[in-house]
Amino acid sequence: GAGVSQSPRYKVAKRGQDVALRCDPISGHVSLFWYQQALGQGPEFLTYFQNEAQLDKSGLPSDRFFAERPEGSVSTLKIQRTQQEDSAVYLCASSLLQNTEAFFGQGTRLTVV
Amino acid sequence: SQQGEEDPQALSIQEGENATMNCSYKTSINNLQWYRQNSGRGLVHLILIRSNEREKHSGRLRVTLDTSKKSSSLLITASRAADTASYFCATDEETSGSRLTFGEGTQLTVNP
Repeated sequence: GAGVSQSPRYKVAKRGQDVALRCDPISGHVSLFWYQQALGQGPEFLTYFQNEAQLDKSGLPSDRFFAERPEGSVSTLKIQRTQQEDSAVYLCASSLLQNTEAFFGQGTRLTVV
Repeated sequence: SQQGEEDPQALSIQEGENATMNCSYKTSINNLQWYRQNSGRGLVHLILIRSNEREKHSGRLRVTLDTSKKSSSLLITASRAADTASYFCATDEETSGSRLTFGEGTQLTVNP
């Protein structure tokens, strides 16, 4: 596709529910990133893939967060047993190669009630 | 954790004026990128400047980088109401692979 696509755009989850957020990167992009953005803040890094390999997951806030990119294209960020503090916008980005421009999707706004 | 610090946090100008935003960071970088974010929308990539570059232009945008001072600036000339948005700098640090570390952003308001 022309850009990075994320779905759903909005998600409301009850506390304790599991959620799955999807990211379709730009075709051919090797690198894929997930970021979390709280209201009024800059995005904070969660995890990074190069093709299907998860090279850095140091930003994942707890073991309730899990990301995968099994075929080196589409990625899913899963949050288990959601908590209110997980409410944020989750942004996905892709780049053609390492250390090049990163292009972001529109994000998924997660609200945990 | 946030590396970059943008200055000012908020800026309000009239259409036609120039807007300058500054960004400071702490570690050695591969490159620095500037993004724009409209309210409730995704981040739009504006410009990337590499650590061996000092200045870059794109349309009405001018970015400078001073690695000795660990700072960058974004200048928007002849601003328009449509430039109203939050602007973020993001650093690609030498020691952290490809991930970007963002500042907290500058909220720019351009009044018609």
